[in-house]
Amino acid sequence: NAGVTQTPKFRVLKTGQSMTLLCAQDMNHEYMYWYRQDPGMGLRLIHYSVGEGTTAKGEVPDGYNVSRLKKQNFLLGLESAAPSQTSVYFCASSSLDRVVTFGSGTRLTVV
Amino acid sequence: KNEVEQSPQNLTAQEGEFITINCSYSVGISALHWLQQHPGGGIVSLFMLSSGKKKHGRLIATINIQEKHSSLHITASHPRDSAVYICAVRGGNQFYFGTGTSLTVIP
Repeated sequence: NAGVTQTPKFRVLKTGQSMTLLCAQDMNHEYMYWYRQDPGMGLRLIHYSVGEGTTAKGEVPDGYNVSRLKKQNFLLGLESAAPSQTSVYFCASSSLDRVVTFGSGTRLTVV
Repeated sequence: KNEVEQSPQNLTAQEGEFITINCSYSVGISALHWLQQHPGGGIVSLFMLSSGKKKHGRLIATINIQEKHSSLHITASHPRDSAVYICAVRGGNQFYFGTGTSLTVIP
């Protein structure tokens, strides 16, 4: 009964380093999303996927890449981290009947 | 441009008070969600609405599709209700989020 699992929960990166955030869901949801949450700005969509093998850009995609090779996993990559990417990242998944479930978040600091 | 507007941004209430948070949206939607986020915590879905009214314990959510407006009510508020409440609407394949209402309930 895990729902949506995000790893890692915390990470500190140096400017220019790369990393991958993993999102895994066990509810057989078609849709998956990556958001970033910054103070005073609410949740902003980075990338999303409407099914295995498909991805699309959201509102703030620059500096990020994603892949959805398996239906249950949605990976978010930072190729060359910048301090502006310091944020809390949330993954979410949604069913065709619109129920949405969020992960517990990843707090990323880029120094 | 903000597809979803919430009010108020911040709200302080005494324990036991009746609380209302409002949400207006400007896009066509298939569903509206009310989400709750405790400080430093994850995001939990409280309600999903496409019409009418839903009730869960002390929480009531209503939606008026014609007016593109929803309200979240908390009856007999309690300090454990202190959290950020976020309105989100589903339009097409995406969700659009309000910036949240920060609620503090004082004992």
